[in-house]
Amino acid sequence: EVQLVQSGAEVKKAGESLKISCQGSGYSFASYWIAWVRQVPGKGLQWMGIIYPGDSDTRYSPSFQGQVTISADKSINTAYLQWSSLKASDTAIYYCARQAVAATSRYYFNFWGQGTLVIVSS
Amino acid sequence: EIVLTQSPGTLSLSPGERATLSCWASQSVSSNYLAWYQQKPGQAPRLLIYGASSRATGIPDRFSGSGSGTDFTLIISRLEPEDFAVYFCQQYGSSPYTFGQGTKLEIK
Repeated sequence: EVQLVQSGAEVKKAGESLKISCQGSGYSFASYWIAWVRQVPGKGLQWMGIIYPGDSDTRYSPSFQGQVTISADKSINTAYLQWSSLKASDTAIYYCARQAVAATSRYYFNFWGQGTLVIVSS
Repeated sequence: EIVLTQSPGTLSLSPGERATLSCWASQSVSSNYLAWYQQKPGQAPRLLIYGASSRATGIPDRFSGSGSGTDFTLIISRLEPEDFAVYFCQQYGSSPYTFGQGTKLEIK
């Protein structure tokens, strides 16, 4: 069974750093692109970027380039999203999601993590 | 960046009725690489449709997608109580792979 399990909720202060994780199981982790998607509670979905764990090829949305870092460690089947200096506006739910078709340029997602709530106080 | 605009913002219908949701793209979506997702409160999105018209695994046939270029539609032929949720479109034809702002389908 394919699963993406994300790390737990975080409450941080503005200016602090943070790294959240997404561990995949039940499939060849290195072979599928993983995306990170932001959702402010009650609002829409924002595509942040994607990573191919096999070679760590990473692409960012211009809206998030330079604001976050996406990485992966294929040896432990885990992708990461990190911030060096959080802002209150980073308060949101962050989802990881796996592409449906391995190693293709078809970036639609059929498996999603449960989401990680990040709350940043100013 | 391709901007996706969904219409209507909120759709109020009764079980058994037909729902028509629209998604317009600011530029042509390459290869009709458009997906639809359903999201219920407190849950992650669920893939319904990819490639504009192909149903994902396990999705009932009352869900259908159509369209090409800049104009796409999701139809739910006969609404079931569990279909009331928020629906998002996503284009994956060109990076960044943007989402629409969502249509909330509520019970009338």
